[in-house]
Amino acid sequence: DIQMTQSPSSLSASVGDRVTITCRASQSINSYLNWYQQIPGKAPKLLIYVASSLQSGVPTRFSGSGYATDFTLTISRLQPEDFATYYCQQTYSTPLTFGGGTKVEIK
Amino acid sequence: EVQLVESGEGLVQPGGSLRLSCAASGFTFSSYAMHWVRQAPGKGLEYVSGISSDGSSTFYADSVKGRVTISRDNSKNTLYLQMGSLRTEDMAVYYCARGRRYFDLWGRGTLVTVSS
Repeated sequence: DIQMTQSPSSLSASVGDRVTITCRASQSINSYLNWYQQIPGKAPKLLIYVASSLQSGVPTRFSGSGYATDFTLTISRLQPEDFATYYCQQTYSTPLTFGGGTKVEIK
Repeated sequence: EVQLVESGEGLVQPGGSLRLSCAASGFTFSSYAMHWVRQAPGKGLEYVSGISSDGSSTFYADSVKGRVTISRDNSKNTLYLQMGSLRTEDMAVYYCARGRRYFDLWGRGTLVTVSS
């Protein structure tokens, strides 16, 4: 199985900050990497798919990059509603796997 | 409205069985692969199982293989997860999700509690 490792596991940042979350795959997954946001008590929401494509309706302050084993989610200017946990997911091979999550707290 | 609605929530004793359902509406259900993802209390997301759009291919996480069966009825626009030999570690919110290379639609989840 492909292991997905996210870092950091949590971070605290101020409104307006630039935030970067990384995700590393245990083997190459080409661009089959997605990012989800989960607000407490809610279902996950797709933000970025196939590494860098922005899901419809998602603010442009969210962006993704990377290829093969190393990927990044960037929030350019953190907003209060971005308090959430973010997960990466590989869909290169089954079983599909998620990273452990990064909890973003607002200072 | 495009949505997925899970049902089947319940309290089950260890070793027991439960069937979850996910009703789809607002889109052509038979065109999409579907999946179950779970989240134990205070934990991250864990992929459970998936099924191709026509039901011919199924996928399972090692943690549930041999104990759960995913199926779908495209005539009823419904996805199922039959779970057996339930363990305390299976206790979680179970979400159904739509998609092949990415999951663009999720249900609100249904809670499975495993306790004696």
